[in-house]
Amino acid sequence: KQEVTQIPAALSVPEGENLVLNCSFTDSAIYNLQWFRQDPGKGLTSLLLIQSSQREQTSGRLNASLDKSSGRSTLYIAASQPGDSATYLCAVSEISSGSARQLTFGSGTQLTVLP
Amino acid sequence: DTGVSQDPRHKITKRGQNVTFRCDPISEHNRLYWYRQTLGQGPEFLTYFQNEAQLEKSRLLSDRFSAERPKGSFSTLEIQRTEQGDSAMYLCASSRLLAGANTGELFFGEGSRLTVL
Repeated sequence: KQEVTQIPAALSVPEGENLVLNCSFTDSAIYNLQWFRQDPGKGLTSLLLIQSSQREQTSGRLNASLDKSSGRSTLYIAASQPGDSATYLCAVSEISSGSARQLTFGSGTQLTVLP
Repeated sequence: DTGVSQDPRHKITKRGQNVTFRCDPISEHNRLYWYRQTLGQGPEFLTYFQNEAQLEKSRLLSDRFSAERPKGSFSTLEIQRTEQGDSAMYLCASSRLLAGANTGELFFGEGSRLTVL
């Protein structure tokens, strides 16, 4: 059974700092990996999607990498801003014939960027 | 179409009552998912539709839960005889089946928060 772990569970940084969020998964036979942002009481906003054949994806100040063989992904946030404060969730979609390829989520990293 | 829409956003009910949530996916998306999220945890998969067909259900989806997508557009999730353990955020997501692939990027709604007293 796929398990997704995110470390740290919470992180507090001063504004302007570059930071890295970590995600690990136990079964490397994934189809893709997706990073989401969730604000308190809200739904999930998709940030980046990395297909299994890709090594990284970039969007603005965000860069996500994928190392399938080691079961790891990182989300790099450059020049953090208070508006980046949220919970960041990592999720993997598995290779499984006949499967809906539903996502298995980690518990998230709660990020606070201090002004 | 601005995204996945869910209704109601909040529902407070007494134990034993039935509740129904509605999800309107992004219009060109043929796949629709329901997830449940409890405080401090990531979402957990409940069920999935491709067009109007319900193709997969999680073991989390007990007999008290039923989901439908009658015309392949909006979907409803009904919980009968609610229990306090049903209190959670119910999230709907949709995606478009890509040519040559079985899934695309998932887009989530704002969720429907259920509180069972």
